[in-house]
Amino acid sequence: SAVISQKPSRDICQRGTSLTIQCQVDSQVTMMFWYRQQPGQSLTLIATANQGSEATYESGFVIDKFPISRPNLTFSTLTVSNMSPEDSSIYLCSVEDSGGGYTFGSGTRLTVV
Amino acid sequence: GENVEQHPSTLSVQEGDSAVIKCTYSDSASNYFPWYKQELGKRPQLIIDIRSNVGEKKDQRIAVTLNKTAKHFSLHITETQPEDSAVYFCAASVGGTSYGKLTFGQGTILTVHP
Repeated sequence: SAVISQKPSRDICQRGTSLTIQCQVDSQVTMMFWYRQQPGQSLTLIATANQGSEATYESGFVIDKFPISRPNLTFSTLTVSNMSPEDSSIYLCSVEDSGGGYTFGSGTRLTVV
Repeated sequence: GENVEQHPSTLSVQEGDSAVIKCTYSDSASNYFPWYKQELGKRPQLIIDIRSNVGEKKDQRIAVTLNKTAKHFSLHITETQPEDSAVYFCAASVGGTSYGKLTFGQGTILTVHP
């Protein structure tokens, strides 16, 4: 399965600032997915990022708040903008493996104070 | 869109017992159903998955069954061990040429008592 390097692993940020999370994959993948996992909750898809096109956002998530870049087939970034304490969550990237399953990055634990 | 319901939310068993977690989904077009195990502070790890062209799949102590007519699938863990304690998530995906995005259930906290 794919190996994903995600960073930072955790951060504590001031409200009103922005944080950019990076995911690097060891192989080329068509789609990369960004999820949010609020404390004690399940995973919710934020958006799907395809190389060469704009990301597709799920209901409740907007590009101004969560801009995504996908400059090539092995890399993507998610920015959490103008943060508030409600944005405190774990953010995970994910890719589809060649066998059809999905692998997750190690996650970024974000705390907004 | 797809909606996945997972039950129970918590499950407590004695070591050696079996554990069963059930999920239902709403979109009949879903064709891929993975199960993930997430230990505290760790990423979700795929433990088993099933595609819509089969009804059951086993991997050692873990099995998954799928009933497409009823739109539900279940995870079965036999001979549970304390290291099976974790949060388990089911998910469903609607695919085309690839399997597309995952919709997750709410999760089940499994505790295996020694």
